[in-house]
Amino acid sequence: ELKVEQNPLFLSMQEGKNYTIYCNYSTTSDRLYWYRQDPGKSLESLFVLLSNGAVKQEGRLMASLDTKARLSTLHITAAVHDLSATYFCAVDPYGGATNKLIFGTGTLLAVQP
Amino acid sequence: DAGITQSPRHKVTETGTPVTLRCHQTENHRYMYWYRQDPGHGLRLIHYSYGVKDTDKGEVSDGYSVSRSKTEDFLLTLESATSSQTSVYFCAISESRESNQPQHFGDGTRLSIL
Repeated sequence: ELKVEQNPLFLSMQEGKNYTIYCNYSTTSDRLYWYRQDPGKSLESLFVLLSNGAVKQEGRLMASLDTKARLSTLHITAAVHDLSATYFCAVDPYGGATNKLIFGTGTLLAVQP
Repeated sequence: DAGITQSPRHKVTETGTPVTLRCHQTENHRYMYWYRQDPGHGLRLIHYSYGVKDTDKGEVSDGYSVSRSKTEDFLLTLESATSSQTSVYFCAISESRESNQPQHFGDGTRLSIL
């Protein structure tokens, strides 16, 4: 069974602190996506990781991909309240051209002042 | 923002009634997808389309059908709605995998079946 697991499922952290969200997947995939969702809103693409060892950074967020370990991480540096949201990872394990995705269950991040 | 419009945005209906959700895109992307989002499950793929009149099932397709008669429109139909289909439905679009671009999502339709 194809599984994409995120942990933690809920993360409460203080402003200024660092933390990492983990995304493990059970099948081979050479690409991984990170999305952000604010309450009641749509999903916003954050990162597209296309190869083993890929690292991308945007502001206080940095994502990495280890395809051999089937693991991606989303690292948060010096968190601020505006980062409070639900973060999803998704993998495309099927290959081909259709870009079908399997999503993790999401990590709800709450940044406290 | 990607040009994706979902309609309606909210709908309340009764068990047993047919329901059709519409997704309209202005990006001319080949691939379109319907997902449902439920607490504890993330997003799950219902059906997807890889071209006009070309559709296929996703992981949770039972009770749903789709149609795509034009590049810009992808319809999701619940033939006889059940309470278990109460959910938030998202449409997404993408170019081909080779474009290395992410899927882009619409604003969602909140569907309640009483």
